[in-house]
Amino acid sequence: AQTVTQSQPEMSVQEAETVTLSCTYDTSENNYYLFWYKQPPSRQMILVIRQEAYKQQNATENRFSVNFQKAAKSFSLKISDSQLGDTAMYFCAYSNAGNNRKLIWGLGTSLAVNP
Amino acid sequence: EPEVTQTPSHQVTQMGQEVILRCVPISNHLYFYWYRQILGQKVEFLVSFYNNEISEKSEIFDDQFSVERPDGSNFTLKIRSTKLEDSAMYFCASSSRERGLRDEQYFGPGTRLTVT
Repeated sequence: AQTVTQSQPEMSVQEAETVTLSCTYDTSENNYYLFWYKQPPSRQMILVIRQEAYKQQNATENRFSVNFQKAAKSFSLKISDSQLGDTAMYFCAYSNAGNNRKLIWGLGTSLAVNP
Repeated sequence: EPEVTQTPSHQVTQMGQEVILRCVPISNHLYFYWYRQILGQKVEFLVSFYNNEISEKSEIFDDQFSVERPDGSNFTLKIRSTKLEDSAMYFCASSSRERGLRDEQYFGPGTRLTVT
């Protein structure tokens, strides 16, 4: 069975600095998807970024980028120029690439951006 | 931008009562999901639904749970006889697999269920 592990329960960063959140996963599949979701205090689940396993190039979305290391089964999220609005819970999630793409979630990392 | 909606935002019910959580997925989406998040714990998959039938369900999704798409827009989760441990945030999500469209899951704002 697939698993997702986030080993950092809490992190903090100063505004405008850069922070990296870690995620590792386990799967025997060769093709799959990885995601980072953000959950602010409102508890809405918001997609931050996604990565297809067959793509070697790391995904980027504005200030957010990932470091995808397929062999190491590692998928970290880098937030550049952190803003106060980035304060949230961040979840790493995995799905197979087949017909059923249920998401398997990590425990989350609570990120606080300090002024 | 289209969004997934859920009602109610908060439901309080007594143990043993039936509850129905409602979701309106994005209109051209074909794949529907329910997840739950017990406070302080990880998000857990409950069930996925496609073509008017369940495509996969987790161990949590026992006989007390059911899903339905009663019309072309709503997607409901019913819990027949609620237990204290059903207290959680319930998220609905939908996705499209249509070629050319993004196929990630879009989430609703959640329904907070409190069982007393």
